[in-house]
Amino acid sequence: GAGVSQSPSNKVTEKGKDVELRCDPISGHTALYWYRQSLGQGLEFLIYFQGNSAPDKSGLPSDRFSAERTGGSVSTLTIQRTQQEDSAVYLCASKEYLGDEAFFGQGTRLTVV
Amino acid sequence: QQQVKQSPQSLIVQKGGISIINCAYENTAFDYFPWYQQFPGKGPALLIAIRPDVSEKKEGRFTISFNKSAKQFSLHIMDSQPGDSATYFCAAKGRTGRRALTFGSGTRLQVQP
Repeated sequence: GAGVSQSPSNKVTEKGKDVELRCDPISGHTALYWYRQSLGQGLEFLIYFQGNSAPDKSGLPSDRFSAERTGGSVSTLTIQRTQQEDSAVYLCASKEYLGDEAFFGQGTRLTVV
Repeated sequence: QQQVKQSPQSLIVQKGGISIINCAYENTAFDYFPWYQQFPGKGPALLIAIRPDVSEKKEGRFTISFNKSAKQFSLHIMDSQPGDSATYFCAAKGRTGRRALTFGSGTRLQVQP
């Protein structure tokens, strides 16, 4: 079956512009995560959605970052007024409610110039 | 308390050798410890995982060793192959508090033919 799908695969934007990154989780997965992976670094947790519960936003690095999940499925990560330090690969993952394994998408590589 | 420390940062092993990657954690509430494998341009994929009620888990050439008292766990890759060349991440998650995986910083493994 289809895995986690992220779009676009690559995004180049000018400093100060807003960007939206999209994640389509695996059908039926109620949990959805966003992570950020900077070059040569580990995965930094950003935000976690679980069903209709309030999201865990504790990893968002600043108020320029926000995310929403519509209808318990597709999620959008928005970065406002992008800065060069926002350049990274943004990874989305989903999992079943009671499952342990998180399935990752291929990521969106964001470059801020 | 949310940190997972991983070493080494990079590792070069000859084909047929044993690759060993180590991780340490502080949060005693963690109860799920997976290892993820990531190839360039791809998202991480689950390789093997363990819970703290066992000290070792083996799947094919991959083994996790877990030391609960020391709060350490390691990945052993037996008979390493060039196709194992990738970045490996350890991670941890608990059933309370933050429900997202906390990742180590990653180990870039290169298996030389």
